[in-house]
Amino acid sequence: AQSVAQPEDQVNVAEGNPLTVKCTYSVSGNPYLFWYVQYPNRGLQFLLKYITGDNLVKGSYGFEAEFNKSQTSFHLKKPSALVSDSALYFCAVSGDRDSNYQLIWGAGTKLIIKP
Amino acid sequence: SQTIHQWPATLVQPVGSPLSLECTVEGTSNPNLYWYRQAAGRGLQLLFYSIGIDQISSEVPQNLSASRPQDRQFILSSKKLLLSDSGFYLCAWSVWGKNEQFFGPGTRLTVL
Repeated sequence: AQSVAQPEDQVNVAEGNPLTVKCTYSVSGNPYLFWYVQYPNRGLQFLLKYITGDNLVKGSYGFEAEFNKSQTSFHLKKPSALVSDSALYFCAVSGDRDSNYQLIWGAGTKLIIKP
Repeated sequence: SQTIHQWPATLVQPVGSPLSLECTVEGTSNPNLYWYRQAAGRGLQLLFYSIGIDQISSEVPQNLSASRPQDRQFILSSKKLLLSDSGFYLCAWSVWGKNEQFFGPGTRLTVL
């Protein structure tokens, strides 16, 4: 069965420092992986996705994620954090055709950027 | 371009009262539609998904129900709300065969 884990409930980073939000997955076959961001009292916004190709995926707001097949990870990264990056971040993996391509969600990681 | 709307944005209801939340999508045809609930600003719980009119799957047994009276309209209902129904309700859509989901702005429901 497909699953995704975000091992950190919260990540604290000082403004200007690099940030990493971790995600690991378990899926049969080739994974389709996603990152979404949620600001308070808002819907989720799509950041980036990995389908195939280059292991380093670039997305919105300067974020990128690195697909690592051997470690089954898809960590979200940004070279220099902004206070405005503070939000809730969700990793997701896509199920297969039998599950109607539904997304399986991680529990979310709260990112706090301190000035 | 496609847009997704949810209303109301916020709702305060007494225990035992009925509920109706509406979601509509514009700019696409035959979307997959989803209802999620998010408690305490954390994880997403998939409640219902629909791949077409009158094709709705329930993921979690509860006192909620969903209907899809039109291709791009998805409604979440309850006959009698419970305190535990409080939360942030999110509607989303996707294209069949595509994995990426697009979310509405959400409805904050408080049951007192």
